[in-house]
Amino acid sequence: AQTVTQSQPEMSVQEAETVTLSCTYDTSENNYYLFWYKQPPSRQMILVIRQEAYKQQNATENRFSVNFQKAAKSFSLKISDSQLGDTAMYFCAFIGSSNYKLTFGKGTLLTVNP
Amino acid sequence: DADVTQTPRNRITKTGKRIMLECSQTKGHDRMYWYRQDPGLGLRLIYYSFDVKDINKGEISDGYSVSRQAQAKFSLSLESAIPNQTALYFCATSDLPRGGPQETQYFGPGTRLLVL
Repeated sequence: AQTVTQSQPEMSVQEAETVTLSCTYDTSENNYYLFWYKQPPSRQMILVIRQEAYKQQNATENRFSVNFQKAAKSFSLKISDSQLGDTAMYFCAFIGSSNYKLTFGKGTLLTVNP
Repeated sequence: DADVTQTPRNRITKTGKRIMLECSQTKGHDRMYWYRQDPGLGLRLIYYSFDVKDINKGEISDGYSVSRQAQAKFSLSLESAIPNQTALYFCATSDLPRGGPQETQYFGPGTRLLVL
């Protein structure tokens, strides 16, 4: 069974600074996808970024980038130039090629301070 | 207009009542899902459907039932609500991309349910 671990329940960062959220996972599969979802106070689950396990290049989406270390089973999210609107709960998630179900971590609450 | 909509957005009910949460999507996806979110536990899968005739239990299906009325509609029912079903409920949709089994799931806005 797959597991996803987010070891930082809460983090804070000053506006315009950079912050990195950690995620590790455990799987025996070789082909899978990893995701970061953002949940702001509005409760909406918003896809931030995704990474295909077979791609060595780290995914980037504007100010958001990942550091994917397949051997270490690590998938961290870096937010550059943090903005007040980045304040949210961030969830790391995994889906394997052999199943359909997203496995979520328990989330990291990020607060961006002015 | 939102691609995945859920109704109601908020609901308060009493123990023993039957309630239905509805999900509609305009993304044209075949696959639909119901998740439950509890504080500190992330999201857990209740039921999923790969098409209108294919419905499957997830990891926490006890006390819930679903109906896939059409490709675009997937409803979740609590036959006899109990207080520990108080949670935030999400509907999600996905489609199989060409060339691979992996998929991205897109979520509705959520329904906050309180069972008294």
